[in-house]
Amino acid sequence: DAKTTQPNSMESNEEEPVHLPCNHSTISGTDYIHWYRQLPSQGPEYVIHGLTSNVNNRMASLAIAEDRKSSTLILHRATLRDAAVYYCILRDSSGAGSYQLTFGKGTKLSVIP
Amino acid sequence: EAQVTQNPRYLITVTGKKLTVTCSQNMNHEYMSWYRQDPGLGLRQIYYSMNVEVTDKGDVPEGYKVSRKEKRNFPLILESPSPNQTSLYFCASSWWQAGSPLHFGNGTRLTVT
Repeated sequence: DAKTTQPNSMESNEEEPVHLPCNHSTISGTDYIHWYRQLPSQGPEYVIHGLTSNVNNRMASLAIAEDRKSSTLILHRATLRDAAVYYCILRDSSGAGSYQLTFGKGTKLSVIP
Repeated sequence: EAQVTQNPRYLITVTGKKLTVTCSQNMNHEYMSWYRQDPGLGLRQIYYSMNVEVTDKGDVPEGYKVSRKEKRNFPLILESPSPNQTSLYFCASSWWQAGSPLHFGNGTRLTVT
């Protein structure tokens, strides 16, 4: 069963912020939240990850709810290059769960010029 | 440059003709895994490996074999390919820790006629 739930698609205007949600209501205390994106005709690429605290890097920010049952990937100013499928996955740090990963279908983000 | 290299990028074959898709990483990662991507189904994990000589099944292992004789290589073997294995395949690697980002290859598009 999928451990995360994401909307199938979202739209954003260019240069506006985008908030991509992910629900993971059965998350355990040892699960890291990872985000990846897949540009057309390419392999997925890492965006950001976190455990409990909000995280920022040059690509995006990750906001994690206090109960950790949901998270939001924030792209501060969407560009046309951000049009991609975004995947939220959980990676368990407690042992074998680190290795069997479920990606699901992700959210297809369209950016309108 | 740190990378995951898959070969070939494109492959057309006939039913029943054994084939191997190679995957190699130059980052000394312990963890490697294979995924297939089909329209409407997202990324599904086929097999993964936690280290040399240690492999395990993912969500869709039927019809596939893998081996991990060296740390850097993780080939995907289709002993008797069938048309339902026509798909886009991705290899990924990372350190074993759950907080380690996955690095993906550029994909292999396989067509079985």
